Amino acid sequence: DVKVTQSSRYLVKRTGEKVFLECVQDMDHENMFWYRQDPGLGLRLIYFSYDVKMKEKGDIPEGYSVSREKKERFSLILESASTNQTSMYLCASSFRADRDPKDFGPGTRLTVT
Amino acid sequence: RKEVEQDPGPFNVPEGATVAFNCTYSNSASQSFFWYRQDCRKEPKLLMSVYSSGNEDGRFTAQLNRASQYISLLIRDSKLSDSATYLCVVIPGAYNQGGKLIFGQGTELSVKP
Repeated sequence: DVKVTQSSRYLVKRTGEKVFLECVQDMDHENMFWYRQDPGLGLRLIYFSYDVKMKEKGDIPEGYSVSREKKERFSLILESASTNQTSMYLCASSFRADRDPKDFGPGTRLTVT
Repeated sequence: RKEVEQDPGPFNVPEGATVAFNCTYSNSASQSFFWYRQDCRKEPKLLMSVYSSGNEDGRFTAQLNRASQYISLLIRDSKLSDSATYLCVVIPGAYNQGGKLIFGQGTELSVKP
């Protein structure tokens, strides 16, 4: 089974702080994704990556950046956290982006105060 | 029009009931379709893929109607443990779209004793 892990289940940060969310997968998947999930809005794609050092913007990249220095690790960075970034953040990975369904990590519930 | 639309519910049904969820999608070129299940405060987990010929997995049956652009999920003999939110998911299919999953809002199911 694919294992996707995220560094924290719950995180509380202050407005203006720089926040790092880490995601690691152990199945040698090329593709990794970051989503956020909000009530009434569903899951929305923030960024994704097809390969090391490669990144593509998703639907809502504003206020976020990402880093993929190693194949197994995909980091989401909030440069200056704001209250509207309070959300559940879900990392996912897959072998083939266009066909395979994604396996999700357990999620990080981030609260920005 | 949203790319993927579902009736948010909630659907409240007694144990043993048969319940059906429908989902419509707007991109006629979409190639891949899935149903995910999400329990409260947990990550989405793949329930089943949806194939053109329809497919069945125990009490669950998924169907795809390309002409009308909708997919369905039928749950027979509902169990208490089926209570969850069911997410309709579409991959548009074009590689340059990143293979991103387009999520419906989810349909909440509550199975009562």
